[in-house]
Amino acid sequence: EVQLVESGGGLVQPGRSLRLSCAASGFTFDDYAMHWVRQAPGKGLEWVSGISWNSGSIGYADSVKGRFTISRDNAKNSLYLQMNSLRAEDTALYYCAKDQGPTVTKRRAFDIWGQGTMVTVSS
Amino acid sequence: QSVLTQPPSASGTPGQRVTISCSGSSSNIGSNTVNWYQQLPGTAPKLLIYSNNQRPSGVPDRFSGSKSGTSASLAISGLQSEDEADYYCAAWDDSLNGLHVVFGGGTKLTVL
Repeated sequence: EVQLVESGGGLVQPGRSLRLSCAASGFTFDDYAMHWVRQAPGKGLEWVSGISWNSGSIGYADSVKGRFTISRDNAKNSLYLQMNSLRAEDTALYYCAKDQGPTVTKRRAFDIWGQGTMVTVSS
Repeated sequence: QSVLTQPPSASGTPGQRVTISCSGSSSNIGSNTVNWYQQLPGTAPKLLIYSNNQRPSGVPDRFSGSKSGTSASLAISGLQSEDEADYYCAAWDDSLNGLHVVFGGGTKLTVL
């Protein structure tokens, strides 16, 4: 069964850091680009970041550029999001999503999604 | 304010056909394909339509997509109660900010 399982969310104070993880199974992880997409409570979807199969191409939303870092470990079938200098507006459910293709430059859709991990930034 | 514009709500009765619009610009819909996602209450999004009009395996042919210029639309025919969900359009965007993905604000579909 193709599956993505996120972890690492929680309550964190403004200005602090958090690292999210996404464990992939049921498909050849290093054949595909991966993404993080978030959804603030009661709001719509917002793309956060994407990374190609070999980490050769990476992109970020303007709202997180310079604060968040996406990475992957193909040997561990895992995707990560290092979030620094967190703000209240980063409060959201963070989804890990699989790309249909190997690189972000192929501009494909996201065909598999995890259930998300909640991040709450509050003092 | 989302980069892609969708109506916040839509509704229909069982069996009806409803359409949801998605408007963008030359840097996103005008130069890239459009994808649609369905989010049932309390669940993760699911890919519904990709590359403007392609259905993933398992998606009923009641769902169809189209694109023209800088706009796209999702049509649902033979509306069923289980179609009640939020629907999001999305496209890659080539702007000065670099390659990234933009979503519509979402349309909440109510089956009356």
